[in-house]
Amino acid sequence: ETGVTQTPRHLVMGMTNKKSLKCEQHLGHNAMYWYKQSAKKPLELMFVYSLEERVENNSVPSRFSPECPNSSHLFLHLHTLQPEDSALYLCASSLVYNSPLHFGNGTRLTVT
Amino acid sequence: EDKVVQSPLSLVVHEGDTVTLNCSYEVTNFRSLLWYKQEKKAPTFLFMLTSSGIEKKSGRLSSILDKKELFSILNITATQTGDSAVYLCAVDSNTNAGKSTFGDGTTLTVKP
Repeated sequence: ETGVTQTPRHLVMGMTNKKSLKCEQHLGHNAMYWYKQSAKKPLELMFVYSLEERVENNSVPSRFSPECPNSSHLFLHLHTLQPEDSALYLCASSLVYNSPLHFGNGTRLTVT
Repeated sequence: EDKVVQSPLSLVVHEGDTVTLNCSYEVTNFRSLLWYKQEKKAPTFLFMLTSSGIEKKSGRLSSILDKKELFSILNITATQTGDSAVYLCAVDSNTNAGKSTFGDGTTLTVKP
């Protein structure tokens, strides 16, 4: 148990589906993050929330839509994904910006 | 654009060996350098370094930062099979708060 819980662990979806990834942290942290980890590529930051305010990475396609209803929960809504979006999606939290990240176990996403 | 380069990309050693992992970086307005260990899914935090020349140590692992030459090393002495993992280096800047830049990682395999 890492203190950051992600569900589901695995997800297979078609290109026309809509699904959501969920992340919950029990650490009392104020910042939450979505990262994408693809094979042979470094971890890519997708979105950052601090005290529920979003800091967005401009290179993320609009088919990924984050939601942070409170400081403990973070969602990533997915729609009309492409096969190249298949990857491990990691949620993380930190006490404040620029403090060490605590990661969840990730959701392994496969887009068919 | 901030950049982190890790070397080697992979390394195979035998139990008891000592290994040194390297991380060089280019970042605007450096704040800190962090090391993480990723065994299966969730990366776990190892060290955060902000000052040159001050060694951080935890058991058989130690790390040091050189802000003049822009690099850090992670040392593991008396390696064990449980040290097998991907070791990730990341840098944070004061300019891009909350947006860690990660390297590709070093895959360490420790054979019995």
